[in-house]
Amino acid sequence: DTAVSQTPKYLVTQMGNDKSIKCEQNLGHDTMYWYKQDSKKFLKIMFSYNNKELIINETVPNRFSPKSPDKAHLNLHINSLELGDSAVYFCASSQGLAGALLQYFGPGTRLTVT
Amino acid sequence: GQSLEQPSEVTAVEGAIVQINCTYQTSGFYGLSWYQQHDGGAPTFLSYNALDGLEETGRFSSFLSRSDSYGYLLLQELQMKDSASYFCAVRSYNNAGNMLTFGGGTRLMVKP
Repeated sequence: DTAVSQTPKYLVTQMGNDKSIKCEQNLGHDTMYWYKQDSKKFLKIMFSYNNKELIINETVPNRFSPKSPDKAHLNLHINSLELGDSAVYFCASSQGLAGALLQYFGPGTRLTVT
Repeated sequence: GQSLEQPSEVTAVEGAIVQINCTYQTSGFYGLSWYQQHDGGAPTFLSYNALDGLEETGRFSSFLSRSDSYGYLLLQELQMKDSASYFCAVRSYNNAGNMLTFGGGTRLMVKP
C-alpha cells in the first residue's frame, strides 16, 4: 500500500491556466504539507495543515491555495500559472508536533508551465 | 529566520566512510533531521536528533551538538546505491507550526 500518493505524476500546462494536484495519505497522520523543489533541488516548505489549522509560508504567492476535504487529503490548487511555477511539488505527512522531524513524502508531481 | 549550510557535493569510493556536515542558525531549536533523495525520487527520512549525541541506524548514523549548532550524517560501508542527495532539515521554535527548513542538499557520488 502506498503511504502518501499524489496525482498526477506529470502535469504540463500553459501560462494563465488553473490546475490542481491531489494528495492522499493512508498513515492516519494528522498533519500534511506541501513543498516545492526547484531545478537546483532546493526544497521549500509552502504549507502546513494540522487539524484544520493552515500555516502558510509567507513567501508563497496567494495564487497557491491548499484545500483539505478531510484529514487524509490535502490538495493544492494553483491559479494563473506562471513560468516560475515550474518545479516538482511534493506532498508529505507526519504525526503530531514532534512528528514534523519525521515526514513521509509522496512521489512528487512534476509541473511544467509553457 | 533559519539557515542551514552543508557541502554541495561529496565524492567517496565504495566501502569507504563519508561524513556530511550541517551547520544551522536558528533562534530556537526542536531537532535536526536527515533525508535521502535519489534522482527523480522523493525525499526519504533517514534519521533525526533532538538531543546531543549519536543516533545509529544500520550503516547510517547522525550526530548533533546543540551548543555548536552542528550535526553530521555518517554513512559507513558505502554502496553504489548510496549515491543520492542528502538534506539536513531543522525544526525550530520560531517556525510557524510543524514545519521544517531544509538545507540546500549534498550530492554524494560513490565511485567503484
